[in-house]
Amino acid sequence: KAGVTQTPRYLIKTRGQQVTLSCSPISGHRSVSWYQQTPGQGLQFLFEYFSETQRNKGNFPGRFSGRQFSNSRSEMNVSTLELGDSALYLCASSSHRPGDWGETQYFGPGTRLLVL
Amino acid sequence: GNSVTQMEGPVTLSEEAFLTINCTYTATGYPSLFWYVQYPGEGLQLLLKATKADDKGSNKGFEATYRKETTSFHLEKGSVQVSDSAVYFCALSRLTGGGNKLTFGTGTQLKVEL
Repeated sequence: KAGVTQTPRYLIKTRGQQVTLSCSPISGHRSVSWYQQTPGQGLQFLFEYFSETQRNKGNFPGRFSGRQFSNSRSEMNVSTLELGDSALYLCASSSHRPGDWGETQYFGPGTRLLVL
Repeated sequence: GNSVTQMEGPVTLSEEAFLTINCTYTATGYPSLFWYVQYPGEGLQLLLKATKADDKGSNKGFEATYRKETTSFHLEKGSVQVSDSAVYFCALSRLTGGGNKLTFGTGTQLKVEL
């Protein structure tokens, strides 16, 4: 099976712009989660989607949003970019169903966002 | 809330040395525990996992045992190689709001030298 793919791999934006990142999960996986990785804060959970519904959200401002499509592909959007949004954004997919925790999350290579 | 604490790095070892990276956790109930590895410029790769007490996860010579009594999941390898140089993350997952969220430790950088 192909792994989790993320596009683009690298992105440079300026403050105030918005950005959309894309994630395609492993075939058959219906859950997609997003994480932000920075040197200062480490790996932080953004949100999780299952069957086009957001069922878990981390502690991030409303500028961070996401969605999932019927084919399980997911996008996340960051509006009004700030310098502090520079990070590696990782997407992960898993096969678990509601109430079924502990399933392994498989990560993509990430999108490295630089905000100038 | 849930949290994971792992030893500070960087850890520098000579090739063929024994490796231990400590990881302890705080969580209600019975979380699943994971070790992920991140090579430079890449995403996270699952190294091993354990889903219940006393389970031992193993892969590529690495091992970790789920110890509920000490709330620990220490990573070990008997003989490290230069190719093991990477950042290692301990993580737990716990049912939250009907979903599956990973909580990570801060990561431990391992450098293996010849």
